[in-house]
Amino acid sequence: EDQVTQSPEALRLQEGESSSLNCSYTVSGLRGLFWYRQDPGKGPEFLFTLYSAGEEKEKERLKATLTKKESFLHITAPKPEDSATYLCAVQDHNQGGKLIFGQGTELSVKP
Amino acid sequence: DAGITQSPRHKVTETGTPVTLRCHQTENHRYMYWYRQDPGHGLRLIHYSYGVKDTDKGEVSDGYSVSRSKTEDFLLTLESATSSQTSVYFCAISPAGGINEQFFGPGTRLTVL
Repeated sequence: EDQVTQSPEALRLQEGESSSLNCSYTVSGLRGLFWYRQDPGKGPEFLFTLYSAGEEKEKERLKATLTKKESFLHITAPKPEDSATYLCAVQDHNQGGKLIFGQGTELSVKP
Repeated sequence: DAGITQSPRHKVTETGTPVTLRCHQTENHRYMYWYRQDPGHGLRLIHYSYGVKDTDKGEVSDGYSVSRSKTEDFLLTLESATSSQTSVYFCAISPAGGINEQFFGPGTRLTVL
């Protein structure tokens, strides 16, 4: 059974304090791994798609990496506006376009 | 929100009443999805559509039905709402069902008393 586990559940950082969020996954055949950002009361906002181990994607202070078992979302010198819940999801080759989501990591960045 | 609207945005209803949520897109994307989001469970797929009149079940489809008579509209119906269906419902769209990212709407908060 496909499974996605995100850690930690919550992370509190000071502004400028870099850190990483983890997404561990189990799928029979990975088609893609997706990162989303979700602000309170809003829908998830797409950030990145990673397709194969070794791939990296960057956007402003965020960098996503992928191995065969997990993905990391690195946040460099975060700002308060980076505070949000970050969601990871996977697509399995055998499950069509369905996304399996983790429960998310709630990030809080204090000034 | 990638040209996606959901209506209503908030609804309070009573157990046993029928409820219909609407998702409308202006992107002309082929695939549309309905998810629910609950604390401790994350986002879970209810139903999805891969074209007009073409729909299939997701992970948590019991108690829900869907219809898609036009490319732009995807309706989610709770035939007889129960308290366990209190949740936030999100619609998502994707240009294709393959390895394409899904774009989400703003959500509908439904409370069943």
